[in-house]
Amino acid sequence: AQTVTQSQPEMSVQEAETVTLSCTYDTSESDYYLFWYKQPPSRQMILVIRQEAYKQQNATENRFSVNFQKAAKSFSLKISDSQLGDAAMYFCAYNTGANSKLTFGKGITLSVRP
Amino acid sequence: NAGVTQTPKFQVLKTGQSMTLQCAQDMNHEYMSWYRQDPGMGLRLIHYSVGAGITDQGEVPNGYNVSRSTTEDFPLRLLSAAPSQTSVYFCASSLGLGVEQFFGPGTRLTVL
Repeated sequence: AQTVTQSQPEMSVQEAETVTLSCTYDTSESDYYLFWYKQPPSRQMILVIRQEAYKQQNATENRFSVNFQKAAKSFSLKISDSQLGDAAMYFCAYNTGANSKLTFGKGITLSVRP
Repeated sequence: NAGVTQTPKFQVLKTGQSMTLQCAQDMNHEYMSWYRQDPGMGLRLIHYSVGAGITDQGEVPNGYNVSRSTTEDFPLRLLSAAPSQTSVYFCASSLGLGVEQFFGPGTRLTVL
């Protein structure tokens, strides 16, 4: 069974600084999809970024980028120029692509200091 | 488009009561899922559906039933509520496999 591990329960970053959130996963599949979702206090789940495992190039969405290391099964999220609105819980998630099941990590709470 | 809608937003039940959490989407998505979110546990899949008439169990299906009679609707039934089912429930839908899942706003359920 696939597992997703987010070992840091909490992190803090100064506004305008850069922070990296860690995620590792375990799978025997060679092709799969990885996601980072953001959950602000409103509780709404929002997709931040998506990575296809067969693509070597790291995904980027504005201030958000990933460091995808397939051999190490690592998928970290880098947030540049952190803003107060980035404060939220962030979840790493995995999907095999063979079905619609998403496996989530336990999440990390990010706080942003003004 | 309303996206994914869930009702109710909040609910309090007594142990043994039954209820149905409603989920609907207007994006013509084939894939729909139910997750529960508990503190320190992330989101865990309860049941999912790959199209009308087709459902399957996820990681934590016990105590829950689902059916999918239409593409739009995917209700989740609690047969006999237990305090262990106190949680926040999310419904999600997606157009295909390996793509973004769109989540509803969630239902906070408390079972006394």
